[in-house]
Amino acid sequence: DTEVTQTPKHLVMGMTNKKSLKCEQHMGHRAMYWYKQKAKKPPELMFVYSYEKLSINESVPSRFSPECPNSSLLNLHLHALQPEDSALYLCASSKRDSLNTEAFFGQGTRLTVV
Amino acid sequence: GESVGLHLPTLSVQEGDNSIINCAYSNSASDYFIWYKQESGKGPQFIIDIRSNMDKRQGQRVTVLLNKTVKHLSLQIAATQPGDSAVYFCAENSGGSNYKLTFGKGTLLTVNP
Repeated sequence: DTEVTQTPKHLVMGMTNKKSLKCEQHMGHRAMYWYKQKAKKPPELMFVYSYEKLSINESVPSRFSPECPNSSLLNLHLHALQPEDSALYLCASSKRDSLNTEAFFGQGTRLTVV
Repeated sequence: GESVGLHLPTLSVQEGDNSIINCAYSNSASDYFIWYKQESGKGPQFIIDIRSNMDKRQGQRVTVLLNKTVKHLSLQIAATQPGDSAVYFCAENSGGSNYKLTFGKGTLLTVNP
């Protein structure tokens, strides 16, 4: 199984809503990532979790709150988002015990903030 | 041909031709590089990787070349097929032991039948 599964595939939310994006992998990877991708732009790193601990936060606004409840799951909690936060949110995972290995990406959640 | 400007760089080729996609990376300390293919509405898909102690690596129909002197990476696709049409990103591990993948701006490859 080389899949990273993200749910939901599409999400429309209002600026006062609270929602969560979910990501799951069963490859035994111990590093998991959240990326944000705007149209016609490259993915931009948001957060890195290593062995279930947050290791990198790329100065992301606090309205985005990541959580890694166990080694297979990664969540991104959303609250009070702005329309400019509309984007494709990508989750990825990679082996942590072996640096410089490929990161596997999910298909993303297309988020629209209205 | 290839064009770079305010929009996503594009490369248009005929089916069966070879394609070369270029990438300039930013961090001279980066030690690992990956090429990803992203089709419309999908996540990035791994194509090939290369470590900084190598200057060339070959896969099935693809070759990656690394020139550390000028911080340049290229992806060569042999006998390009319509299914190769996608956006191609190079990514570098610029975080050392933190394994932080940073993506380049991407190139849109269009293969004409």
